[in-house]
Amino acid sequence: DAMVIQNPRYQVTQFGKPVTLSCSQTLNHNVMYWYQQKSSQAPKLLFHYYDKDFNNEADTPDNFQSRRPNTSFCFLDIRSPGLGDAAMYLCATSRVGQARHFFGQGTRLTVV
Amino acid sequence: AQTVTQSQPEMSVQEAETVTLSCTYDTSESDYYLFWYKQPPSRQMILVIRQEAYKQQNATENRFSVNFQKAAKSFSLKISDSQLGDAAMYFCAYRGETSGSRLTFGEGTQLTVNP
Repeated sequence: DAMVIQNPRYQVTQFGKPVTLSCSQTLNHNVMYWYQQKSSQAPKLLFHYYDKDFNNEADTPDNFQSRRPNTSFCFLDIRSPGLGDAAMYLCATSRVGQARHFFGQGTRLTVV
Repeated sequence: AQTVTQSQPEMSVQEAETVTLSCTYDTSESDYYLFWYKQPPSRQMILVIRQEAYKQQNATENRFSVNFQKAAKSFSLKISDSQLGDAAMYFCAYRGETSGSRLTFGEGTQLTVNP
């Protein structure tokens, strides 16, 4: 089945140790998003790609970066995770001209 | 900036009964989309129902329907004949014509279905 897959589902990292979360999609959608969802809060957009064009939200910390080497894959890099970065990270895709997002299952990040 | 507000952090309903989840939003745009997404525990977020602002008719998907009041900027979700599998966090979301394709979410409503 076509879908959005995030790996890993659970990630534990040490304070300050770089970590990468991955997302892949078989939908061939040209837009990919990363949302951060802290406990009991609404998902918040960090950035998104329209094809290879990177769009950063104004309030996304510099600690967060992203790469999209091809249509299918997108990575979220956290350069120096802090305790406040512990959250669920959601990857989503959409096709230009269509409003609907398709979400992955999320990666729950714990910082110790 | 657009905002989405869900005033009910938690709701509960008896199995087979009907429940309504509230959502209000603030925008100056005339063309936009509204969504209800369901997020079960430890599972992915899935689309429940969507509404285009230019459509006057309320969207319906099986047991799920919305009451879209554009002038009041209100977008409530009604779940009929509630089932145990409906238990989840429900998010109301907005996508506007000038906000690109990003979604703005409300804080969510945790729905419990009691057998």
